[in-house]
Amino acid sequence: ETVLTQSPGTLSWSPGERVTLSCRASQSVNNRYLAWYQQKPGQAPRLLVYGASSRASGVPDRFSGSGSGTDFTLTISRLEPEDFAVYYCQQYGNSPQTFGQGTKVEIK
Amino acid sequence: EVQLVESGGGLIQPGGSLRLSCAASGFSFGSYAMSWVRQAPGKGLEWVSTISSSGDSTYFADSVKGRFTLSRDISSNTLHLQMNSLGAEDTAVYYCAKSKKGYCSGGSCSLDYWGQGTLVTVSS
Repeated sequence: ETVLTQSPGTLSWSPGERVTLSCRASQSVNNRYLAWYQQKPGQAPRLLVYGASSRASGVPDRFSGSGSGTDFTLTISRLEPEDFAVYYCQQYGNSPQTFGQGTKVEIK
Repeated sequence: EVQLVESGGGLIQPGGSLRLSCAASGFSFGSYAMSWVRQAPGKGLEWVSTISSSGDSTYFADSVKGRFTLSRDISSNTLHLQMNSLGAEDTAVYYCAKSKKGYCSGGSCSLDYWGQGTLVTVSS
């Protein structure tokens, strides 16, 4: 199965900062089928990005995804208070689909 | 508005069985694949199972294969996950999620709507 490794594990940022989260796959992800999800405490995950770079409906444009092959990135151009959460990547280009272990974005 | 409401969770003894349900509304239920994803306490997300829009194809993670079955009732817009031979490793919040597509190759899809989850605790 395709293992996804996210980095960093946990890091602290200040509101207004630019944040770059990484997701590295153990093998190439077919068709750039890579998604990003945001999860806040006590809530279900929310789809942010699919197909590596397509924003889901209603997602603010400060969120952007990029990458291909084995290296993918989620960028938050300017952190807002409501963006502090855990972010997961998911690959669905290879079977079985798998999730990364998550990156926690904390307030500095 | 898309809504997914899970039910059926609870405390169950090891070796027992449980049936989870997911009531769907706000979209054409028969047009999309549906999935279950679980999250053990304090842990990350783990895909469990996917069913195609028609219900003809089901897919399971190796960790549950042979113990879980997945079905859908298009007449009532409901998804059912039958879980047998439960063990402590199955303790988790189980989320029902809608796929963006009707067919997911190998059961793999992005998931655009999620329910709030139902907690399954396996303990004696």
